[in-house]
Amino acid sequence: EAGVAQSPRYKIIEKRQSVAFWCNPISGHATLYWYQQILGQGPKLLIQFQNNGVVDDSQLPKDRFSAERLKGVDSTLKIQPAKLEDSAVYLCASSLVGRWNEKLFFGSGTQLSVL
Amino acid sequence: AQSVAQPEDQVNVAEGNPLTVKCTYSVSGNPYLFWYVQYPNRGLQFLLKYITGDNLVKGSYGFEAEFNKSQTSFHLKKPSALVSDSALYFCAVRDERGQAGTALIFGKGTTLSVSS
Repeated sequence: EAGVAQSPRYKIIEKRQSVAFWCNPISGHATLYWYQQILGQGPKLLIQFQNNGVVDDSQLPKDRFSAERLKGVDSTLKIQPAKLEDSAVYLCASSLVGRWNEKLFFGSGTQLSVL
Repeated sequence: AQSVAQPEDQVNVAEGNPLTVKCTYSVSGNPYLFWYVQYPNRGLQFLLKYITGDNLVKGSYGFEAEFNKSQTSFHLKKPSALVSDSALYFCAVRDERGQAGTALIFGKGTTLSVSS
């Protein structure tokens, strides 16, 4: 089966610029997650969608980060304006229905460098 | 608050030797624990999970993990390491805070290096 697709693979921007990342989960997966992985740390959840609704965005810095999943399929994560500390790998993951014992399938991530 | 700790930044082992990657956890309710592996330039891949039942959980690629409630540990093990096992390993616990409770809280990761 096709995996979780993410683009772009790399992005370099200057601080205060905006950037957007795209994710297409595995077909049929209802739950979609965006994680931020800073170098030397484990992934940290930013937002979780169930179909096109937000389940958990408690750790999303809403003054600069936004995300949407309009048709319950692919999703976009945006940062505006970017700060130096936003440099990280942004991982998208999906799971079938969102049960607590399901495994997550991860994409390869988008590596963001903010200069 | 739930958390997992991986006390070792790096584990070095010779090929053919047994390996252990350590993880300890802290949860308020029942622990639902996972191990994921990350190869260079790849996304995280699921290895195994503990939900309930047997304390020894078997997973992908010959890995297994031992759940120990009294020591609040969930160590990853493999009887005989391969060079291809060299990667970054993450322990994770289910986050009970979210409404659906399906997101994971990850440790900082342990780099496993297997030498030939």
